[in-house]
Amino acid sequence: AQSVTQLDSQVPVFEEAPVELRCNYSSSVSVYLFWYVQYPNQGLQLLLKYLSGSTLVKGINGFEAEFNKSQTSFHLRKPSVHISDTAEYFCAVSSPARQLTFGSGTQLTVLP
Amino acid sequence: DTEVTQTPKHLVMGMTNKKSLKCEQHMGHRAMYWYKQKAKKPPELMFVYSYEKLSINESVPSRFSPECPNSSLLNLHLHALQPEDSALYLCASSQDRPGGFQETQYFGPGTRLLVL
Repeated sequence: AQSVTQLDSQVPVFEEAPVELRCNYSSSVSVYLFWYVQYPNQGLQLLLKYLSGSTLVKGINGFEAEFNKSQTSFHLRKPSVHISDTAEYFCAVSSPARQLTFGSGTQLTVLP
Repeated sequence: DTEVTQTPKHLVMGMTNKKSLKCEQHMGHRAMYWYKQKAKKPPELMFVYSYEKLSINESVPSRFSPECPNSSLLNLHLHALQPEDSALYLCASSQDRPGGFQETQYFGPGTRLLVL
């Protein structure tokens, strides 16, 4: 069984400040982790994914995430956010049945 | 091209109506998915098709009827829905290679459904 916990439901941050969105997972099999972003009234867009190899994964729009097996975490970071980064962010883990288990989501609000 | 298209964008229907949602992809993907997303919640998996065959049905009520006429097209037929079925319905696709649960699912923009 797999599960994902996103520790913060809402993260407000000022423009140009750094941000970290936290994600912890549990899985009994090999781990494949994803971060998706959902802008208002849109579908989900892949930001980045961890499959294997380097634990630091770079994604689109300046986001990166670090896979930490000992802490079972996959936190998402950006060094300087923009107003346009305001969106809902979902962490997800994939199962052998190709099912994505999503976390509850984190609403990132970038303030001017 | 990593686009999944969905029509219509918005749909309002009464509880006695019959309507259909349509999803299309031209990426050569052989797995297609329907998700339901309520406001401020993550998507919930409803159905998975693999090579045009239904492989997963997450105990969805029979008033939702999926159909996969070919490898590019996925429909969701709706009949006698309830107001609590109002939600954003998302379609996704992935390659579906053997052992491929590391594959990326590509999502469409969704159909926002309101049941009156």
